[in-house]
Amino acid sequence: EVQLVEAGGGLIQPGGSLRLSCAASGFNVSSNNTSWVRQAPGKGLEWVSFIYSAGSTYYADSVKGRFTISRDNSKNTLYLQMNSLRAEDTAMYYCARGRDGYDWGAFDIWGQGTVVTVSS
Amino acid sequence: DIQMTQSPSTLSASVGDRVTITCRASQSISSWLAWYQQKPGKAPKLLIYKASSLESGVPSRFSGSGSGTEFTLTISSLQPDDFATYYCQQYSNYWTFGQGTKVEIK
Repeated sequence: EVQLVEAGGGLIQPGGSLRLSCAASGFNVSSNNTSWVRQAPGKGLEWVSFIYSAGSTYYADSVKGRFTISRDNSKNTLYLQMNSLRAEDTAMYYCARGRDGYDWGAFDIWGQGTVVTVSS
Repeated sequence: DIQMTQSPSTLSASVGDRVTITCRASQSISSWLAWYQQKPGKAPKLLIYKASSLESGVPSRFSGSGSGTEFTLTISSLQPDDFATYYCQQYSNYWTFGQGTKVEIK
């Protein structure tokens, strides 16, 4: 079965760091484009970061310089290292897979999400 | 940055109704547009990609149209399982989601 399973969320103080993981099964993260999308409580979806199969990375302005996306092909896992966390980073964080082919910017597989709460 | 604006924000409808949601882009995105359905406590689900292509397994009552800056998602006959929030997303230049449209029971 093709699926994504996130982990690593939790309660963290402002200024702290957290690393989220997203374990893939049924496909290889190394040959697919993958992304992180977040959703603040009661709010809409916000794109956070993207890693192309070839390795190029992209970030939303709101997290640039603080978050780093990466992957471990041997573990078939995607990561999001989050530093200098702020209250406004509080959200459900989803990992998602881009579709095969030209429409790799549309996300066809999503994880169940992991909650990050930034609060003192 | 490309902004995506959906209308309406909330839509009240009955089972069997034809429902249309509009999404406008702040600049042309060609057909690089997707639609998602999200139910409370669940991850989004891809319905439509490339503005009008139906994702595998999605019922044919869902359809998408448009290009450039104006797009629509239509549900031809609303079913009980369709009450949810719908998001458009552009992937022409990075990624941006609309603010969402909640379809609720009338």
